[in-house]
Amino acid sequence: KQEVTQIPAALSVPEGENLVLNCSFTDSAIYNLQWFRQDPGKGLTSLLLIQSSQREQTSGRLNASLDKSSGRSTLYIAASQPGDSATYLCAVAPYNNNDMRFGAGTRLTVKP
Amino acid sequence: DAGVTQSPTHLIKTRGQHVTLRCSPISGHKSVSWYQQVLGQGPQFIFQYYEKEERGRGNFPDRFSARQFPNYSSELNVNALLLGDSALYLCASSTDRGTEAFFGQGTRLTVV
Repeated sequence: KQEVTQIPAALSVPEGENLVLNCSFTDSAIYNLQWFRQDPGKGLTSLLLIQSSQREQTSGRLNASLDKSSGRSTLYIAASQPGDSATYLCAVAPYNNNDMRFGAGTRLTVKP
Repeated sequence: DAGVTQSPTHLIKTRGQHVTLRCSPISGHKSVSWYQQVLGQGPQFIFQYYEKEERGRGNFPDRFSARQFPNYSSELNVNALLLGDSALYLCASSTDRGTEAFFGQGTRLTVV
């Protein structure tokens, strides 16, 4: 059974810092991995999707990497801003399916 | 272009009652998935529908059921509500199975 773990559970940084969020999964037989952002009480906003054949994806100040063999992904946020404060979730999808397994998330606070 | 829309946004029900949640996917998306998110945890997969057929079911009791209509919108039904069913219910749509998932804002269900 696929288990997804996100470390740390919470992170507080001053504005302007670069930071890394970690996601690990136990079964390397994945189809893709997706990073989401969730504001309190809201739905999920898709940030980046990495297919199993890819190593990384970039969007603006965000960069996500995937090492399928070791069961790890990282989300790198450059020059953090207070507006980046949210919970960040990673999810892995098995082959050709949207039965995604989520981690519990990392709650990020960026202080002005 | 409209994103994934869910209705209602909030709902309060009494134990034992029945509830129907609705989801309209992004235009052109044929896959709809439902997730339950309890406070402090990542979303848990309930159902996936693709081309109006059930393609996946999570570990939820038979009180939970769903269907997808010819226009690809979907309903999630929950019978005999329990206090533990209180959660944020999320709908996600994608063009196909295993492609990038886009989430709605969710329906906050409170069972009293």
